[in-house]
Amino acid sequence: DAGITQSPRYKITETGRQVTLMCHQTWSHSYMFWYRQDLGHGLRLIYYSAAADITDKGEVPDGYVVSRSKTENFPLTLESATRSQTSVYFCASRDEGLDTGELFFGEGSRLTVL
Amino acid sequence: GNSVTQMEGPVTLSEEAFLTINCTYTATGYPSLFWYVQYPGEGLQLLLKATKADDKGSNKGFEATYRKETTSFHLEKGSVQVSDSAVYFCALTLYNFNKFYFGSGTKLNVKP
Repeated sequence: DAGITQSPRYKITETGRQVTLMCHQTWSHSYMFWYRQDLGHGLRLIYYSAAADITDKGEVPDGYVVSRSKTENFPLTLESATRSQTSVYFCASRDEGLDTGELFFGEGSRLTVL
Repeated sequence: GNSVTQMEGPVTLSEEAFLTINCTYTATGYPSLFWYVQYPGEGLQLLLKATKADDKGSNKGFEATYRKETTSFHLEKGSVQVSDSAVYFCALTLYNFNKFYFGSGTKLNVKP
């Protein structure tokens, strides 16, 4: 199916463990983004990528690592999870050719760090 | 800096009531403004947008006008439906659309 998919949708882990959230899009959009959604904060940008092998920090990058070896995939890794990283994570993409600014979001991954 | 401030929710309305969700912004440049909607269990999706002052964005009965003089982009709908129950996010972006600044979201509950 076309679109943007995230996995896993739900994850419970323990402090100190490594966790990777996957994001896959089928549109070949150039830009991909990772946001976290926390009550009272709305969405905050963690990292974004303009193309394969090009990534840049957003507003809250500490504790996260990203990579983009293929255009369609943009995994987010928490190298040593902390309780403050309990959140809902959204992946999004945007087509470079569109001057609309529209972001297309996945359904989100809910992460709980115990 | 750049930021978006929305009215706090939740907002609870009866069906067919008039809706206003306030949104104001600060920006270092000349932003484009957006409203995104998040239905339960789903990701955000674009509701409407405006790219220059006095533009009115509209979709599904919702409207918002880009007011540069008051730095506002209030969302309105004349008659809400139960199906409009969702969280609404105001957002801005500058220049190259790579950095979006989202408000904290306003939850709307519409009762039959």
